[in-house]
Amino acid sequence: DQQVKQNSPSLSVQEGRISILNCDYTNSMFDYFLWYKKYPAEGPTFLISISSIKDKNEDGRFTVFLNKSAKHLSLHIVPSQPGDSAVYFCAASERNDKIIFGKGTRLHILP
Amino acid sequence: DAGITQSPRYKITETGRQVTLMCHQTWSHSYMFWYRQDLGHGLRLIYYSAAADITDKGEVPDGYVVSRSKTENFPLTLESATRSQTSVYFCATADRALNQPQHFGDGTRLSIL
Repeated sequence: DQQVKQNSPSLSVQEGRISILNCDYTNSMFDYFLWYKKYPAEGPTFLISISSIKDKNEDGRFTVFLNKSAKHLSLHIVPSQPGDSAVYFCAASERNDKIIFGKGTRLHILP
Repeated sequence: DAGITQSPRYKITETGRQVTLMCHQTWSHSYMFWYRQDLGHGLRLIYYSAAADITDKGEVPDGYVVSRSKTENFPLTLESATRSQTSVYFCATADRALNQPQHFGDGTRLSIL
């Protein structure tokens, strides 16, 4: 049973526009959420995280929003750039326990 | 300044063979992890280690063996490889906590014929 769900396998966005990647979770005990980015033939790299005590965290072009009541988080990339084309993994953990990853969303930035 | 090194990067072997994937870190991070990435499944945790000589099972441990005699090394062994273990394997480290952002190696692509 998937606890972290990324329901969109892929997403295409025009360069310069906003990319919004979505993630849903089922475990209400999750209190820490992370996003990773992965290029082909490379390992995932950590992008941004958010604690459940916050509803927004921003780092440059990347902002993560957390809606605890809906058990939903999203990653916003503004503006989208060609180098943002990658697979993005949403991940979550409960009280210092192991991180659980979603299946990933492939983002294509179109010229 | 290698960080995490996985070897080999690519491996082809046959069903029933034993194969060991190596992972070496230069940071002295406490935690080390092994994941497999498969189409339709994302990243799934195989085993992890909190320190030398301390290992624990993840989500998909069957068919795998790990050891951690030194902090910097965390080899993953498939004792009798099966076709279902064809995958891309990633090693990762974290410094102080299980859920701290992890640093990943570049992966080993393993094909079992």
